[in-house]
Amino acid sequence: GNSVTQMEGPVTLSEEAFLTINCTYTATGYPSLFWYVQYPGEGLQLLLKATKADDKGSNKGFEATYRKETTSFHLEKGSVQVSDSAVYFCALSAQGGSEKLVFGKGTKLTVNP
Amino acid sequence: ETGVTQTPRHLVMGMTNKKSLKCEQHLGHNAMYWYKQSAKKPLELMFVYNFKEQTENNSVPSRFSPECPNSSHLFLHLHTLQPEDSALYLCASSQDGSSGDTQYFGPGTRLTVL
Repeated sequence: GNSVTQMEGPVTLSEEAFLTINCTYTATGYPSLFWYVQYPGEGLQLLLKATKADDKGSNKGFEATYRKETTSFHLEKGSVQVSDSAVYFCALSAQGGSEKLVFGKGTKLTVNP
Repeated sequence: ETGVTQTPRHLVMGMTNKKSLKCEQHLGHNAMYWYKQSAKKPLELMFVYNFKEQTENNSVPSRFSPECPNSSHLFLHLHTLQPEDSALYLCASSQDGSSGDTQYFGPGTRLTVL
């Protein structure tokens, strides 16, 4: 079946550090890939997405590239801020009209000043 | 008000109580979802409604009963819950439930079952 594996947290960084959160997936066909972010006490918000191979999603300084050859969608940001502290979820939506989003377990990021 | 709203934000109930969670979306979407978020577990999809029809029931116990009276409203009726049902319950909506469709989440209801 479809699945998403993302790096275990928690991740703790200093402000302005480089961030990478790894995400790999298993799916049949060509899924759409997403990163969602959950700030403390809130629901999930879409951060970025990519719907086909080699697409790059980007938002708020975050980027992720859909790599079919490595089945990966790693999240990166060049310089994190304290306000980026949150839990980040990688997810996929299978091709074929499925409504299901399959989520990874989430990675908690804490950025210290 | 915009986006996806959920009420109540917090709920404490005993195992014999009956309560309902409400979700409303103001985005003109046709698909709505219930998820359960427990500590240290991936988000679990519970139910999907597409154009008011239930299209997914992910082996959810019958003590959880969804209702979708129209495309803008979704309820989750709760009765005789167990302490392990304590979790954050998230509602989401999307345009039409197709692959690649972005889901928009509400803030969740934090449920505690005593």
